Parts: sequence; C-alpha cells; structure tokens
Amino acid sequence: AQRVTQPEKLLSVFKGAPVELKCNYSYSGSPELFWYVQYSRQRLQLLLRHISRESIKGFTADLNKGETSFHLKKPFAQEEDSAMYYCALGASGAGSYQLTFGKGTKLSVIP
Amino acid sequence: DAMVIQNPRYQVTQFGKPVTLSCSQTLNHNVMYWYQQKSSQAPKLLFHYYDKDFNNEADTPDNFQSRRPNTSFCFLDIRSPGLGDAAMYLCATSRPGQTYQETQYFGPGTRLLVL
Repeated sequence: AQRVTQPEKLLSVFKGAPVELKCNYSYSGSPELFWYVQYSRQRLQLLLRHISRESIKGFTADLNKGETSFHLKKPFAQEEDSAMYYCALGASGAGSYQLTFGKGTKLSVIP
Repeated sequence: DAMVIQNPRYQVTQFGKPVTLSCSQTLNHNVMYWYQQKSSQAPKLLFHYYDKDFNNEADTPDNFQSRRPNTSFCFLDIRSPGLGDAAMYLCATSRPGQTYQETQYFGPGTRLLVL
C-alpha cells in the first residue's frame, strides 16, 4: 500500500530563513513524487515534480530513495510562500494516474 | 480563465437528503477525479473516470455515486448524506498521454455541510 507522511502540521519560519518541509513515503514500486501547494483562497496546484528536477519559486526537492524521503526546501523564505503544502505519491492504475496525498503542512512565514 | 469549475462553492444539505455536486472542465481532459477532504486530513480519492470508464476506490462507501454524461461534466451524488460526510469535495482532471501526464488540475472545491 502507498502511504505519504508529512510529520509537521504547522511550520513557522521568519522571512529570509531557510525552509524545509518534510515528506516521507512508503511504496513498493518505483516512486513518483510531487509537491502540491494551496495558497489562501486558491485551488490546489502543482508546485513541482521529482522527475523534472526543477526549481519553482526557489523551491527544490530531491528524491532520496534510501531514506524514502522527498523533502521540500527553500534557502530564503518569503512571505508569499505562506500556504498549505501537500506531498503526493503517484502511481498508474486502472488506466489512469492516481495520487496519494499526505495530510499537508501549513507553512507560515513571519515578516 | 477557470479550467476546472465546481458548483456550488458551498452546499448545505440535511441529514439523509440527497445532494449533487457538480464539476466541469474546459481542458478537454480524459480523466476526472473526485476527492474528499476532511478537516486536517489528506485529500482522499473517492473515484475517477477515464473517459466513460468508472473506477471506484475499494473503500468508497456505496452512498457515493458519480456520473459523467460527457467529457466536460462530472457529478458527485451523495444518496443519503450523514454528518460524517461533511467535508470539502475536490474535483480534478488530467490528460494521459501528454507531457507531464500525471499533473492533476484541481477545482476550487465544494464545501458540504450536513445539518
């Protein structure tokens, strides 16, 4: 069975401080990991995917298969980063792609 | 330029009174998903359609049904809502075969309150 764990419900950091949102997963196959973000009063949207190895809005995430982790990092937090962040594990099944989400971490950046 | 639209944004129903939530999309995506998200919980997949093929998650209660009359629209029917069904319901779409096929596009959600 697939499982995604985000151990922190709430993370508060000061503006300019580094940010790390933790995500651990459990999956027997080859994992595909994503971070989705939900800003206040906005819809859930994709932030980044591990396949792309991209940096979006200064955020990066590296898949560590040995530690089964996909932590989201940003060196200098900005106020506009305050949002709800969900880690998700993807897998193909029943002819389409399905996501298993973690419970989310609320990031609050203090001015 | 809303791509995935959910109506209404807030829905109040009575215990046991059937309710329908709707989702429409302008993306022409093959797959449409319905998630249930309770407070402080992860979005939980209820079921999805790949074109006209319906795929139910094993633990989705029978009380929840879905219809997809065409590519653009998908409905979530709750036959006899209980207090435990109060939640945010999210609709999402994706298009297999495209680059980044796994990206899901979400609607704003409908918050259901059961009295």
